[in-house]
Amino acid sequence: ILNVEQSPQSLHVQEGDSTNFTCSFPSSNFYALHWYRWETAKSPEALFVMTLNGDEKKKGRISATLNTKEGYSYLYIKGSQPEDSATYLCAGEDSNYQLIWGAGTKLIIKP
Amino acid sequence: KAGVTQTPRYLIKTRGQQVTLSCSPISGHRSVSWYQQTPGQGLQFLFEYFSETQRNKGNFPGRFSGRQFSNSRSEMNVSTLELGDSALYLCASSSGASGNTEAFFGQGTRLTVV
Repeated sequence: ILNVEQSPQSLHVQEGDSTNFTCSFPSSNFYALHWYRWETAKSPEALFVMTLNGDEKKKGRISATLNTKEGYSYLYIKGSQPEDSATYLCAGEDSNYQLIWGAGTKLIIKP
Repeated sequence: KAGVTQTPRYLIKTRGQQVTLSCSPISGHRSVSWYQQTPGQGLQFLFEYFSETQRNKGNFPGRFSGRQFSNSRSEMNVSTLELGDSALYLCASSSGASGNTEAFFGQGTRLTVV
């Protein structure tokens, strides 16, 4: 995997609104797609790992989908809360088990 | 079980010096990866060690090196420090034995080069 891109770079969302952002990756040499949440002053924490085309995973109000054929994954947050404010990182894992990280989407929830 | 431990947490060094950072992975994990994060940048991959061998390497100059010991603890060394090396250095451990595994991060070492 040569390059993983995330968009947008930052996002301001009103509390209670739903939102989503994108991770795109080259579909060749793909093994898995990881999503992490990185809160200020903490370490990144894993949210999801997905491997199969069409995979959809959910954890509470957060869900993610994966399209390996077109090389993208969406992360959705339903009913945003202040505690969702964080940088969301995605990483593509290639067949050498190497994680290639995107630059992240910084999400700020406005009360 | 204990998480990933990085030491020291903060470090101030002078240009031209060298520095060694340490990472103790989660017990049983054999893979340790190192990352650099600078303001405005995402995580930049430095290298990964698995069972004492460097398995993957990012695009960093030779001043950045690492090693892994038999107990899976890893050290990262930066020689001839430059101002641009000021960053948060994170390590992450995983089982590493097969792909598709979750990485657990330490709290990082904040290095400031003056």
